[in-house]
Amino acid sequence: GAVVSQHPSWVICKSGTSVKIECRSLDFQATTMFWYRQFPKQSLMLMATSNEGSKATYEQGVEKDKFLINHASLTLSTLTVTSAHPEDSSFYICSVSQATYGYTFGSGTRLTVV
Amino acid sequence: KNEVEQSPQNLTAQEGEFITINCSYSVGISALHWLQQHPGGGIVSLFMLSSGKKKHGRLIATINIQEKHSSLHITASHPRDSAVYICAAPNTGNQFYFGTGTSLTVIP
Repeated sequence: GAVVSQHPSWVICKSGTSVKIECRSLDFQATTMFWYRQFPKQSLMLMATSNEGSKATYEQGVEKDKFLINHASLTLSTLTVTSAHPEDSSFYICSVSQATYGYTFGSGTRLTVV
Repeated sequence: KNEVEQSPQNLTAQEGEFITINCSYSVGISALHWLQQHPGGGIVSLFMLSSGKKKHGRLIATINIQEKHSSLHITASHPRDSAVYICAAPNTGNQFYFGTGTSLTVIP
């Protein structure tokens, strides 16, 4: 089946710094990847749709200048949280939809900003 | 009102019990997904079903498209089944409406 690798699985950073999260499809090509955020005790919320070779599509209320998404290849999408603040502390997870395997999720990244 | 509603929100069961988690949705869909989120956060897709019933090991998922209702059953529950179970309905944009999840704890 499809495998999606997300790295790092957890990260602690200082306020004002930037953090990059990687999402890789290991055994298939993914033209589209999705980035979600989950606050404690809440459901997953779609942040943006990452499209290979073009600009990401952001959901309403998500700051594109703060959450930079790059999908430079068919196997890698990155989410960079810029100038991180404590309120950005959350669980971030990517997913991929592939015709053969359906939806596959990464293992997620727990970000803590101190 | 959320497009996808789950019940119960929290569930505690003794090992060996039969467990049912319910999901109702208000949007028109072609298929519904059941996901399992482990305590560490990682998500595994359990089922995608558009009609009838699917079974995988001790897990059974059913769906009634007309009634817009799906159930996830766990037979002979085990402590390792402890997780959050999420139902999700894809919209036309290839994205998901997610339920708020059911937190299951199975006690030995």
